[in-house]
Amino acid sequence: DAGVTQSPTHLIKTRGQQVTLRCSPISGHKSVSWYQQVLGQGPQFIFQYYEKEERGRGNFPDRFSARQFPNYSSELNVNALLLGDSALYLCASSQQTGGNTGELFFGEGSRLTVL
Amino acid sequence: AQSVTQLDSHVSVSEGTPVLLRCNYSSSYSPSLFWYVQHPNKGLQLLLKYTSAATLVKGINGFEAEFKKSETSFHLTKPSAHMSDAAEYFCVVSDQKTGFQKLVFGTGTRLLVSP
Repeated sequence: DAGVTQSPTHLIKTRGQQVTLRCSPISGHKSVSWYQQVLGQGPQFIFQYYEKEERGRGNFPDRFSARQFPNYSSELNVNALLLGDSALYLCASSQQTGGNTGELFFGEGSRLTVL
Repeated sequence: AQSVTQLDSHVSVSEGTPVLLRCNYSSSYSPSLFWYVQHPNKGLQLLLKYTSAATLVKGINGFEAEFKKSETSFHLTKPSAHMSDAAEYFCVVSDQKTGFQKLVFGTGTRLLVSP
């Protein structure tokens, strides 16, 4: 069974550029969440999408945006990149939108370096 | 706000000896707690979860954790460490107040296993 897949795995951008990261959830999962993991820290919640609608947003600026497509895949966009946006961006999928018992299945991440 | 505190940034053990990774939580509600593991260049994998059923939770690969409300703790243990256990471990609480699926991660504990 295919797990959560993310692309690209690594990328390098310069300050001020824009980046798009992609995520395909596990088949049958309708919820996709995005997390940012800065080196040496735990992941921080960015967004959750369910059935193509934003269900939750973390404490991130408006430069961060996302969307979910009819096939439940998702894109995370970051505009006007800053050095501090350098991080591992993790995508996770699950079968449900809310509650607290559903397991999140994580991809291996996209490592973004901003120079 | 719900949060977790991992008391050790690094833990070193010898192969075959017990493992103890400590985590304290802060929550206004009956929490849902998790332990995730992250191997180098890999995504996060769920080890175990507590959702107000049994206080002693058994997970994969011989790990278990005990929920102690009086101590607000959720420590992770394993009787005998294996070299393959070397990884980063995250204690996680589900933020129930938001109404959507948001995980709050601790800062992580790096487990080092020596031969």
